[in-house]
Amino acid sequence: GAGVSQSPSNKVTEKGKDVELRCDPISGHTALYWYRQSLGQGLEFLIYFQGNSAPDKSGLPSDRFSAERTGGSVSTLTIQRTQQEDSAVYLCASSGKERDYLRNEQFFGPGTRLTVL
Amino acid sequence: DQQVKQNSPSLSVQEGRISILNCDYTNSMFDYFLWYKKYPAEGPTFLISISSIKDKNEDGRFTVFLNKSAKHLSLHIVPSQPGDSAVYFCAASANSWGKLQFGAGTQVVVTP
Repeated sequence: GAGVSQSPSNKVTEKGKDVELRCDPISGHTALYWYRQSLGQGLEFLIYFQGNSAPDKSGLPSDRFSAERTGGSVSTLTIQRTQQEDSAVYLCASSGKERDYLRNEQFFGPGTRLTVL
Repeated sequence: DQQVKQNSPSLSVQEGRISILNCDYTNSMFDYFLWYKKYPAEGPTFLISISSIKDKNEDGRFTVFLNKSAKHLSLHIVPSQPGDSAVYFCAASANSWGKLQFGAGTQVVVTP
């Protein structure tokens, strides 16, 4: 079955440019998460969408970061005026089956590697 | 503020032996704990979990132990196999939904 997909797989941009990263969650999953992993670090939570509820944006590092989820499915993470410290792998995850909620299991995509020059 | 810590960045173990990975946390509100495995260029995949009402959960070669009073959990892999070579992340959350807090990961290398 189809898992979580992300595009692009790699993105190289210049400092100061805006970038958009896309996530297609598993069909039917109501919860969607964005994390990022900087070099040598663990995953850092960014934002969480659950159905029609207001998103949990508590992990966004600055107001240059924003995300939206259209129609309860596809999500886009936008980083404005990129900085070199934004370089990381950006990972999307989704969950939605009842058993997932029993243990908070989240299914991850392969990530987008962002490099800001 | 790192609420989940994996103090061993790497672990090397011989095939057939036991791998023991450790994880400490500081937030007493955490009630759900998960281990994820990650291969290069892939997203993390769920391995095993435990909730705070238990102190042990077993799934095949993988066992997770939780010591709530010490705020410590560990993952045992017995016997270790070459395909177990990967980065293992410990994660925790206060609820059975919502954001996970991750440790920095432990790179496991299983040698023949």
